Amino acid sequence: GQNIDQPTEMTATEGAIVQINCTYQTSGFNGLFWYQQHAGEAPTFLSYNVLDGLEEKGRFSSFLSRSKGYSYLLLKELQMKDSASYLCAGGSARQLTFGSGTQLTVLP
Amino acid sequence: GAVVSQHPSWVICKSGTSVKIECRSLDFQATTMFWYRQFPKQSLMLMATSNEGSKATYEQGVEKDKFLINHASLTLSTLTVTSAHPEDSSFYICSARDPLASGGPTSTDTQYFGPGTRLTVL
Repeated sequence: GQNIDQPTEMTATEGAIVQINCTYQTSGFNGLFWYQQHAGEAPTFLSYNVLDGLEEKGRFSSFLSRSKGYSYLLLKELQMKDSASYLCAGGSARQLTFGSGTQLTVLP
Repeated sequence: GAVVSQHPSWVICKSGTSVKIECRSLDFQATTMFWYRQFPKQSLMLMATSNEGSKATYEQGVEKDKFLINHASLTLSTLTVTSAHPEDSSFYICSARDPLASGGPTSTDTQYFGPGTRLTVL
């Protein structure tokens, strides 16, 4: 199957670091994507991983372990504007399959 | 980055009418576009894959006669919701693949999303 699991909700404090985990059970994915979605808006692309390891992009980093079917998105120096839903998506040659999203709330 | 537009942003219609939603890739050519539907507090569900110059590929459970997709050019795909009913009320989002996006993987090009269309059927 192509189950993608991520926590439903997370809460963190402004300025802190938060890690959002994503696990998947499939052999059909060629890459693992992370998207950010604010309420009422379309998702915006954050990062992708094709190879194992850590990809860093400013305050955001994403990690992938293909053998473990595991990825995480790391957000540093949290800001209030980071409150949003974060979607993990597995990519195949044909399509993206999305997880249910993790709603992150950043508190002052 | 690649820009995808959608029109209209929101639409309210009466039950039984048809609604057309346009998805355009503004600064790149997209041979493949995707149509998603998202209900409140739920994730994106792929409805269909739109291929330029050929028939769309629909996901299981999506009625192709109700959700008509036309991909007439490399920059435009349209989704028409025919005979809309209140249960069709949702957030419809399109995306397009940009195969030339910097850093894009070879077999899974990054998808860029349009701003979405909120459909309310009364």
